[in-house]
Amino acid sequence: NAGVMQNPRHLVRRRGQEARLRCSPMKGHSHVYWYRQLPEEGLKFMVYLQKENIIDESGMPKERFSAEFPKEGPSILRIQQVVRGDSAAYFCASSPGPRLGYTIYFGEGSWLTVV
Amino acid sequence: DQQVKQNSPSLSVQEGRISILNCDYTNSMFDYFLWYKKYPAEGPTFLISISSIKDKNEDGRFTVFLNKSAKHLSLHIVPSQPGDSAVYFCAASEVQGGSEKLVFGKGMKLTVNP
Repeated sequence: NAGVMQNPRHLVRRRGQEARLRCSPMKGHSHVYWYRQLPEEGLKFMVYLQKENIIDESGMPKERFSAEFPKEGPSILRIQQVVRGDSAAYFCASSPGPRLGYTIYFGEGSWLTVV
Repeated sequence: DQQVKQNSPSLSVQEGRISILNCDYTNSMFDYFLWYKKYPAEGPTFLISISSIKDKNEDGRFTVFLNKSAKHLSLHIVPSQPGDSAVYFCAASEVQGGSEKLVFGKGMKLTVNP
């Protein structure tokens, strides 16, 4: 997991607040993926981004969720007006190119708790 | 609909014995399969992978077998060690609309007893 940095590791938000999760990919990686793990579930794909572009957001809820990967700086997953059901572990992964497989590396995750 | 299924939530084995973790999938378009290992409060760590054109891949104590006709793959760990105790996720690579992503199973908790 070394190299993919996520912060914060733990975040507590009250219902209705906003949550921002940040991900810095491994050096040299320009492809970023966000996954969510709900309790007792596997990881679910949310969004795939390259620098300044959203490639695939088919796994992202249509409302309240957004993601960006600006030219400079980390990728941001933003959740507006959080609800209890958003409580989960959010994992970011990065790869050097579009082909996944053995080249994808995950960060340590950000645990969001909505109270 | 669960495209990647790990039907057994847990497995307990004795140190030194073989651990066999199973995974079934439904989408015949998956062309690459991976196993990830995950400790609590950490991110998944890549373990081993296999292309759909192969039926076996081996890396040290870890071997993955793929049976395409049965849409089934398995991970063998031999000999099992206490440090192998973790949650193991099976994942399949799906290309859709020019974008590739991993589809994960729900995971299986492996406990290796000393």
